[in-house]
Amino acid sequence: QSALTQPASVSGSPGQSITISCTGTSSDVGGYNYVSWYQQHPGKAPKLMIYEVSNRPSGVPDRFSGSKSGNTASLTISGLQAEDEADYYCSSYTSSSTLYVFGTGTKVTVL
Amino acid sequence: QVQLVESGGGVVQPGRSLRLSCAASGFTFSSYAMHWVRQAPGKGLEWVAVISYDGSNKYYADSVKGRFTISRDNSKNTLYLQMNSLRAEDTAVYYCARGRVVVAAGPDDAFDIWGQGTMVTVSS
Repeated sequence: QSALTQPASVSGSPGQSITISCTGTSSDVGGYNYVSWYQQHPGKAPKLMIYEVSNRPSGVPDRFSGSKSGNTASLTISGLQAEDEADYYCSSYTSSSTLYVFGTGTKVTVL
Repeated sequence: QVQLVESGGGVVQPGRSLRLSCAASGFTFSSYAMHWVRQAPGKGLEWVAVISYDGSNKYYADSVKGRFTISRDNSKNTLYLQMNSLRAEDTAVYYCARGRVVVAAGPDDAFDIWGQGTMVTVSS
């Protein structure tokens, strides 16, 4: 099971919007709505930001939104803030024997 | 508050064994599936294993199948990962994580609570 493909880095200025893509196959992202997104600051544990493609857990700002089209999921951060600078990972349930796969990770830089 | 605390990491020689623990508090541990996820230094996240809320079902990543065993003791609110035949490529921070869905009849859709991680280094 190969990792889902994400851009290595995305950057934006404060207040701008950015979108991170997460590309898989019909065996993972395209086949299930079990796509989630995680934020990880350096030296810290990951934090759930989006589940089931587009749902936000309690406490996550509504600046974070998720969507999916075919085999590609996306995370959009609107009104970018300095504290959003972190690594972001997507994840999906898969039909393979390795049940879950993560994305390659995207480093978000706030200029 | 809801919390997961891992322990048991350390430096171990290739081929040896190590057991990780994850102590849960602040929620009904016996109602949630639990996962192990690892992250090699400077690398991305890799799912390792899952155990159902009652311990009846266990699944593993191909990379650890046959070497690692996940288990839980619901009376002690503790999750375990027994790691045997360790290899250099198993070097990573190991996180325990809670499956989001309570008493899940199917797969978890996300991992909603994470521990702080415990470092495992496999080196001679």
